[in-house]
Amino acid sequence: EAAVTQSPRSKVAVTGGKVTLSCHQTNNHDYMYWYRQDTGHGLRLIHYSYVADSTEKGDIPDGYKASRPSQENFSLILELASLSQTAVYFCASSYDRYEQYFGPGTRLTVL
Amino acid sequence: GEQVEQRPPHLSVREGDSAVITCTYTDPNSYYFFWYKQEPGASLQLLMKVFSSTEINEGQGFTVLLNKKDKRLSLNLTAAHPGDSAAYFCAVRPYGNEKITFGAGTKLTIKP
Repeated sequence: EAAVTQSPRSKVAVTGGKVTLSCHQTNNHDYMYWYRQDTGHGLRLIHYSYVADSTEKGDIPDGYKASRPSQENFSLILELASLSQTAVYFCASSYDRYEQYFGPGTRLTVL
Repeated sequence: GEQVEQRPPHLSVREGDSAVITCTYTDPNSYYFFWYKQEPGASLQLLMKVFSSTEINEGQGFTVLLNKKDKRLSLNLTAAHPGDSAAYFCAVRPYGNEKITFGAGTKLTIKP
């Protein structure tokens, strides 16, 4: 079964600080995604990647950067964290354009 | 781009009863359809999938129906049990598109 891990699982950050969320997958998938989920809402796509060293903007990329240094790793970077970025962040991977497998999520609180 | 509307946002049914969650989408090129289950505090788990070529799928007590003419996807639970209490999300991917669009979710509560 697909294995996607995220670190940290929970983080408290200060406004204006830099935050890096990491994602690692061991299923040899080319596609990786970052989503955010706000309480009581669905998932919104921030960035995605279909090959190492390349990333694409999703639907809500403002305030976020992404990095895909290898097929297995995909990071989400908040250069200047803001209160509005408090959310749960999910990483996912998929084989080609089929179903996505999700990591456990990272709960980010910005104070 | 694709827009997905999911209804209802909250659904409460008694154990043993049936439940239906519906999603409507806008892109006629949508080809891949998924339902995910999210238990409280947990991640999303793939529940079922159906591709445009099939239109129906059954398993784990659920039936997924796809009506391409009306651009409507439904998740039907025939006999609810407490373990079905969770949030359910539909997801739609147009053919040739890397992005999946998710519905806003339905919180399903099973009452004893």
